[in-house]
Amino acid sequence: ETGVTQTPRHLVMGMTNKKSLKCEQHLGHNAMYWYKQSAKKPLELMFVYSLEERVENNSVPSRFSPECPNSSHLFLHLHTLQPEDSALYLCASSQEAGRGEKLFFGSGTQLSVL
Amino acid sequence: RKEVEQDPGPFNVPEGATVAFNCTYSNSASQSFFWYRQDCRKEPKLLMSVYSSGNEDGRFTAQLNRASQYISLLIRDSKLSDSATYLCVVNEPGGSYIPTFGRGTSLIVHP
Repeated sequence: ETGVTQTPRHLVMGMTNKKSLKCEQHLGHNAMYWYKQSAKKPLELMFVYSLEERVENNSVPSRFSPECPNSSHLFLHLHTLQPEDSALYLCASSQEAGRGEKLFFGSGTQLSVL
Repeated sequence: RKEVEQDPGPFNVPEGATVAFNCTYSNSASQSFFWYRQDCRKEPKLLMSVYSSGNEDGRFTAQLNRASQYISLLIRDSKLSDSATYLCVVNEPGGSYIPTFGRGTSLIVHP
């Protein structure tokens, strides 16, 4: 079993749909992250959670709504997305947040918005 | 938050070659540095941490130059399987340390 699992692997949605991405980590970590990776761009940090509390929000549009019910699970709720939101969405975890620790990534969700 | 810069490449090298990548960062207060490897359509995976004294893991050597604010990755005796994108990560202070990724350097090792 991999340390960080993400579902679904692929998602195609229309601009009026509502969908959710799910992430689960089995490493006993206290911090979880959402990153966005677009073609030819660096990974962009979207949200950071530490022990279910949001500690970083990088000016992400409100059409992306994170939820962290416990330290092992992280969701990204999507609604009324735009075609430019098409990207690879990566979940990651680390032992703690804000201490410069190594990240462990899930396999990502490749999202296409039509 | 300031940037982390990498030459996107691609670096196209023959098997057995030695290749080096640099990654510059602009925030002198940055702490903890890493190199990740990302294969096409896959997630980034930790390759190695970068320590102040430099560190080596088999064919891979990472160095930190704080004075010039860059980290480097040296790959000796390149293998075909080394073909990937190499991402540097710099933890920049902003209240707490937040990992900032470079754009990545693409390496292609050919027979």
